[in-house]
Amino acid sequence: AQKVTQAQTEISVVEKEDVTLDCVYETRDTTYYLFWYKQPPSGELVFLIRRNSFDEQNEISGRYSWNFQKSTSSFNFTITASQVVDSAVYFCALSEAKAAGNKLTFGGGTRVLVKP
Amino acid sequence: GAGVSQSPSNKVTEKGKDVELRCDPISGHTALYWYRQSLGQGLEFLIYFQGNSAPDKSGLPSDRFSAERTGGSVSTLTIQRTQQEDSAVYLCASSPGLAGWGTDTQYFGPGTRLTVL
Repeated sequence: AQKVTQAQTEISVVEKEDVTLDCVYETRDTTYYLFWYKQPPSGELVFLIRRNSFDEQNEISGRYSWNFQKSTSSFNFTITASQVVDSAVYFCALSEAKAAGNKLTFGGGTRVLVKP
Repeated sequence: GAGVSQSPSNKVTEKGKDVELRCDPISGHTALYWYRQSLGQGLEFLIYFQGNSAPDKSGLPSDRFSAERTGGSVSTLTIQRTQQEDSAVYLCASSPGLAGWGTDTQYFGPGTRLTVL
């Protein structure tokens, strides 16, 4: 069975600090997808990134960057120079490539609080 | 509409009553998912639709829960004889429905907050 673990339940930083969110996953499949979603106080889950298991290249998008390491089954997320608007709960999720849909298995989420 | 919409946004009901939650997916998306978010259980998958069929219902917690989808579009999640443990936010997501490979990205609606008194 697949499992996603986000060990950090809450992180508090001061604006402009960098923050790294850890995500460790378990799956028996060789083909799978990893995701990060942001859930701001409004409640709607916002898609941030999708990464497939064959592509270990790290990715940067503005202040966001992701580090995928298959050897340690980790897919960590860094926010550089954090801003108050980054305050949210962030979820890591895993999807296995199967014919019957791609249901997501979520981690428990990490609440990020950015103080001004 | 541009995104996934859900109604109602909030629902308060009494224990034992039936409730219906509605999801309108993004136009053209053939895949639709229901999830539940609760304090104790986190985010859990409930059911997946491809078109009007539900190939994966493995996450439905009991036979009090059912869902249908009509016209390959709107979906309704029904909870019969609600219990207090059903209190949660019910999230709907849709995706283009590309076959296999996990290539789909799911886009979520704002959720329905259900409170069972």
